[in-house]
Amino acid sequence: AQTVTQSQPEMSVQEAETVTLSCTYDTSESDYYLFWYKQPPSRQMILVIRQEAYKQQNATENRFSVNFQKAAKSFSLKISDSQLGDAAMYFCAYRLFTSGTYKYIFGTGTRLKVLA
Amino acid sequence: DSGVTQTPKHLITATGQRVTLRCSPRSGDLSVYWYQQSLDQGLQFLIQYYNGEERAKGNILERFSAQQFPDLHSELNLSSLELGDSALYFCASSETPTDTQYFGPGTRLTVL
Repeated sequence: AQTVTQSQPEMSVQEAETVTLSCTYDTSESDYYLFWYKQPPSRQMILVIRQEAYKQQNATENRFSVNFQKAAKSFSLKISDSQLGDAAMYFCAYRLFTSGTYKYIFGTGTRLKVLA
Repeated sequence: DSGVTQTPKHLITATGQRVTLRCSPRSGDLSVYWYQQSLDQGLQFLIQYYNGEERAKGNILERFSAQQFPDLHSELNLSSLELGDSALYFCASSETPTDTQYFGPGTRLTVL
């Protein structure tokens, strides 16, 4: 069964510093997508970044980048120059193709606190 | 603002009751997904529709049902509500099942 594991329930980072959130997944697929979503206190789910498994280059979106290790089935999110507005729950998600359609599996989330 | 709208924002009801949650996808999106997020939990996929047809089912209870209408909006019906059904219900949409999905603001359901 496909699973997504976020082993850090909570992380803290000092403003302007860098933090890395970890995510591992289990799959037998070779082609899939991985996502990081941010959920601030407003509870809105916001797409942060996505990575296609067939691409070796790590995805980057401004201060957000990923370290995608396909063999290790690891997909960590690095936030550089952390800002107070980055404080939120972060969910890692895996999209698989099954039964003729796509399904998303989410991890349990990591709560990120940003300290001023 | 993702362009996905959900109504109502909040819903408070009693056990045994039935409620309907509504979702309007982004303009041009044909695929709609429903998720349930219980307190401090991850998102559980419930069901997906594409252009009016059911495409995939996740952990959706038999007391729950959904449909997507010709104008592409979708409704999630929850019946015989129990205390454990209290959760945040998200709708997401994408242009096709292969595209990235974008989430609505959610409906918070409280069952008393």
